[in-house]
Amino acid sequence: GAVVSQHPSRVICKSGTSVKIECRSLDFQATTMFWYRQFPKQSLMLMATSNEGSKATYEQGVEKDKFLINHASLTLSTLTVTSAHPEDSSFYICSARGTGRDEKLFFGSGTQLSVL
Amino acid sequence: RKEVEQDPGPFNVPEGATVAFNCTYSNSASQSFFWYRQDCRKEPKLLMSVYSSGNEDGRFTAQLNRASQYISLLIRDSKLSDSATYLCVVNPNTGGFKTIFGAGTRLFVKA
Repeated sequence: GAVVSQHPSRVICKSGTSVKIECRSLDFQATTMFWYRQFPKQSLMLMATSNEGSKATYEQGVEKDKFLINHASLTLSTLTVTSAHPEDSSFYICSARGTGRDEKLFFGSGTQLSVL
Repeated sequence: RKEVEQDPGPFNVPEGATVAFNCTYSNSASQSFFWYRQDCRKEPKLLMSVYSSGNEDGRFTAQLNRASQYISLLIRDSKLSDSATYLCVVNPNTGGFKTIFGAGTRLFVKA
């Protein structure tokens, strides 16, 4: 089955620094990838849709200048949390849409970001 | 009204019990439906797709009712390892890019 690799799995950083998270589709091409964040005991919240070769589409309330998304190839999307603050601490997950009739989503293993 | 709504949890059941989750969706044009399972601090994993004719995978049965716009998941003979959060997932339309997640229902299976 399709595999999506996400790393790092855990990041601890100081307030004010930037953190880059990578999401790779390993055995298929993903023209569209998605980025989510999840706070404890809450569901996944879509942050943005990453489109290969074009600008990402951000959900309402998500600051595009703070959460930079780059999808330069068909197998890689990156999310950069710029000038991170403690309130950005969360679980970030990427996913890529598979091809075919069912259009299943395949998820990365997630990144736990802790901003001190 | 939320686009996808699930039963509020948590569900606390003993081993061996049968438990059912329901999920309703608001967009009648929705095309694809799935149940995902998520363990604490892990990524969601696909449990099963939901087809119009209903489908079964071992102890799990999923059903879709388009007229009433709801899907269900039935778990028979619950195991301790079934404890997790179950997410109802809806693709609004074929080729669309936005997948809608329900808030999830937590299940605790106890010995």
